[in-house]
Amino acid sequence: DAGVIQSPRHEVTEMGQEVTLRCKPISGHNSLFWYRQTMMRGLELLIYFNNNVPIDDSGMPEDRFSAKMPNASFSTLKIQPSEPRDSAVYFCASSLGLTNQPQHFGDGTRLSIL
Amino acid sequence: GIQVEQSPPDLILQEGANSTLRCNFSDSVNNLQWFHQNPWGQLINLFYIPSGTKQNGRLSATTVATERYSLLYISSSQTTDSGVYFCAVNLYGGYQKVTFGTGTKLQVIP
Repeated sequence: DAGVIQSPRHEVTEMGQEVTLRCKPISGHNSLFWYRQTMMRGLELLIYFNNNVPIDDSGMPEDRFSAKMPNASFSTLKIQPSEPRDSAVYFCASSLGLTNQPQHFGDGTRLSIL
Repeated sequence: GIQVEQSPPDLILQEGANSTLRCNFSDSVNNLQWFHQNPWGQLINLFYIPSGTKQNGRLSATTVATERYSLLYISSSQTTDSGVYFCAVNLYGGYQKVTFGTGTKLQVIP
């Protein structure tokens, strides 16, 4: 079975540019989560969706960050404009249901903003 | 918010040794997961264990929800066990707003 698929695996871009990260959840999973991992702050939940609807975006650091889930099989996380401090590994995860279900992670996108 | 503390922060083991990793949490939780982040950065789900004991090969986990802790046991460690082990919890009554611990970095040497 295909797991959570993220693209790109690596992204290097200059500050000020728009960055778009993509995620395809496991088929049949109706909850999707975006995380950010840095050395300083560890793994942080940014936003999560249930049935394509954003439930909690309180972890989104600034208005420069936005996330969408136009359908059950696709989500994007955008940063515009990007800044060097946004450099991190961004993970997407999905689960079956909103409560009491394990989360399955993609391989992450390693983002470097120069 | 809920506090999730893991110990020890760092651990070096000789191959073949056993170890116990601990996760303490400050509030009642709906669920608890253990993850292994391998040296390539991949997060692998090891156990989903809100309570009780589970075993999978050389790994086992026990969660005592009433006392707010969980333990991950690694027996006969192998170099491929190296990486960072995270526990992650979400609050009882809450949705899937998962909080990760700070992790235990394990290095298994031959």
